[in-house]
Amino acid sequence: NAGVTQTPKFQVLKTGQSMTLQCAQDMNHNSMYWYRQDPGMGLRLIYYSASEGTTDKGEVPNGYNVSRLNKREFSLRLESAAPSQTSVYFCASSEGSGRRNEQFFGPGTRLTVL
Amino acid sequence: QKEVEQNSGPLSVPEGAIASLNCTYSDRGSQSFFWYRQYSGKSPELIMSIYSNGDKEDGRFTAQLNKASQYISLLIRDSKLSDSATYRCAMNRNTGKLIFGQGTTLQVKP
Repeated sequence: NAGVTQTPKFQVLKTGQSMTLQCAQDMNHNSMYWYRQDPGMGLRLIYYSASEGTTDKGEVPNGYNVSRLNKREFSLRLESAAPSQTSVYFCASSEGSGRRNEQFFGPGTRLTVL
Repeated sequence: QKEVEQNSGPLSVPEGAIASLNCTYSDRGSQSFFWYRQYSGKSPELIMSIYSNGDKEDGRFTAQLNKASQYISLLIRDSKLSDSATYRCAMNRNTGKLIFGQGTTLQVKP
């Protein structure tokens, strides 16, 4: 089991460029999440998908879009990258409903926007 | 008032000592609680989950939950240099989202 995988691991963009961050999980989880973490800071939720076919905004959704492609995959798109989006992006997944909701994180994508 | 309050530290303990990390939370409706460890440059790793009042032990780690006082804690016994990391508490309010604390940096010194 690979758990949660993310691609790419590193990316450098110029202001205004677009890109998609990919995330996949092999734990048959219902829910998936995208977080960003700025240097020395905590985790901020960008978007999440409680189940296949649904997506909802988190704390900091502006400048991002998401697609829940199927139960395994959840992508994050930056349409026009800005330097303020320089961050480390983590994808996570969980069973979703109910009491437990233990989230498991991928290795992260380190994004720099020049 | 933040939903989850956690001292950012750093908390410095000598090798072999007990490290005690704490969080308080405001929402009495929270039902499940977690501790995550994050090494510098790495992703958060789930190390403990606790759902009922009392203690839960796993090796050198003990998670404690007190719903009446609205706090959770993590005790690390026999601290090792490799325990140096940032530890975040998190809680689930059954909304599908976790609320994370800001994290406490633990430094274990030789």
